[in-house]
Amino acid sequence: GDSVTQTEGLVTLTEGLPVMLNCTYQTIYSNPFLFWYVQHLNESPRLLLKSFTDNKRTEHQGFHATLHKSSSSFHLQKSSAQLSDSALYYCALMNYNQGKLIFGQGTKLSIKP
Amino acid sequence: GPKVLQIPSHQIIDMGQMVTLNCDPVSNHLYFYWYKQILGQQMEFLVNFYNGKVMEKSKLFKDQFSVERPDGSYFTLKIQPTALEDSAVYFCASSRGTDQNTLYFGAGTRLSVL
Repeated sequence: GDSVTQTEGLVTLTEGLPVMLNCTYQTIYSNPFLFWYVQHLNESPRLLLKSFTDNKRTEHQGFHATLHKSSSSFHLQKSSAQLSDSALYYCALMNYNQGKLIFGQGTKLSIKP
Repeated sequence: GPKVLQIPSHQIIDMGQMVTLNCDPVSNHLYFYWYKQILGQQMEFLVNFYNGKVMEKSKLFKDQFSVERPDGSYFTLKIQPTALEDSAVYFCASSRGTDQNTLYFGAGTRLSVL
């Protein structure tokens, strides 16, 4: 079945350094729809980015990601980390057939001064 | 942005009791979801609901679980009876559709089964 893999459970960075959170997925569908959600402590997951267009960069709030169907990847990047970026980041894949969003394991991003 | 409200924010009950978690989805949304998140673990899909029916459910959606949305009121998740392993945060979500539509999540209900 469909699945999403986030290899890093915890990423710790110093403020100002670039961020890259990995996300790969598996699906039988040729038109996957990928999402990044961010969840701050004691809050609900909130949509950060989404894309279904191959090789097109999508940006929001300083973060960007590009869906690459050739490598089944949708990595999240930011050029310069801020303290407020500390949160849990989920990559997710929409399974149209079953009408559900499948989440990866999540990556906790911790930004230090 | 669109808001999904969940009531209560925290519920403490004794094992074996019944509990109902309430969700007020975004007003024009048609699809509703419940997800379970055990502390420190990933979000796990439980069930989705459309047009008064369960469309898809996971193996986590045990026989003791049920969902309904009577007459456009709250979308509810009922657990009867509860078990210790049901302790988790339960997130409700809604969307307008399933095709390229964003899911909007509530703040979650933390369920503690003692």
